[in-house]
Amino acid sequence: GQNIDQPTEMTATEGAIVQINCTYQTSGFNGLFWYQQHAGEAPTFLSYNVLDGLEEKGRFSSFLSRSKGYSYLLLKELQMKDSASYLCAVTDSGYALNFGKGTSLLVTP
Amino acid sequence: IAGITQAPTSQILAAGRRMTLRCTQDMRHNAMYWYRQDLGLGLRLIHYSNTAGTTGKGEVPDGYSVSRANTDDFPLTLASAVPSQTSVYFCASSDLAGEVDEQFFGPGTRLTVL
Repeated sequence: GQNIDQPTEMTATEGAIVQINCTYQTSGFNGLFWYQQHAGEAPTFLSYNVLDGLEEKGRFSSFLSRSKGYSYLLLKELQMKDSASYLCAVTDSGYALNFGKGTSLLVTP
Repeated sequence: IAGITQAPTSQILAAGRRMTLRCTQDMRHNAMYWYRQDLGLGLRLIHYSNTAGTTGKGEVPDGYSVSRANTDDFPLTLASAVPSQTSVYFCASSDLAGEVDEQFFGPGTRLTVL
């Protein structure tokens, strides 16, 4: 089985940087995904890590340490539209995903 | 626009009734998935299919069945709905041949069982 933990809620200020952590315990590992989900909408893909290190994509970066079972999503230059839930998901098979419960981020003016 | 469609958008259903949620993708992805999303529990995998003709059970399969007769369609059936199946249901697909097997999600079906 898999156990994936992330904070329930976070609040940050527009223009700031926020880091959302995810820890996992899995019997196997074949990649970690981050998704963004706005209220009432479908999740959309943000990033994928399978090797240790940092993946940067514009204002968003994702980091993975497989030995520590740890990942974070870093959001820079926060905008109001970044208010959403951020979902950490791990796959041990390469296809089926196990999701954490999600972190609800509120960006304030 | 290529993507995944789900129907219906929302449904209110009496307990004990049979219901099929429809999912169609036009991206020719070989894998498809069904998740349910409940407040405080996150997304949980119900069933999946890696290719047409094959299906597998996810974390919460009881009370649900699926079929995959072709690449594009992956219906989810509740044989006899119960109130605990009230949830938002998301269908997703992925191309297992890609370097990054990201899943693309449909818009969801909001189901209420009374």
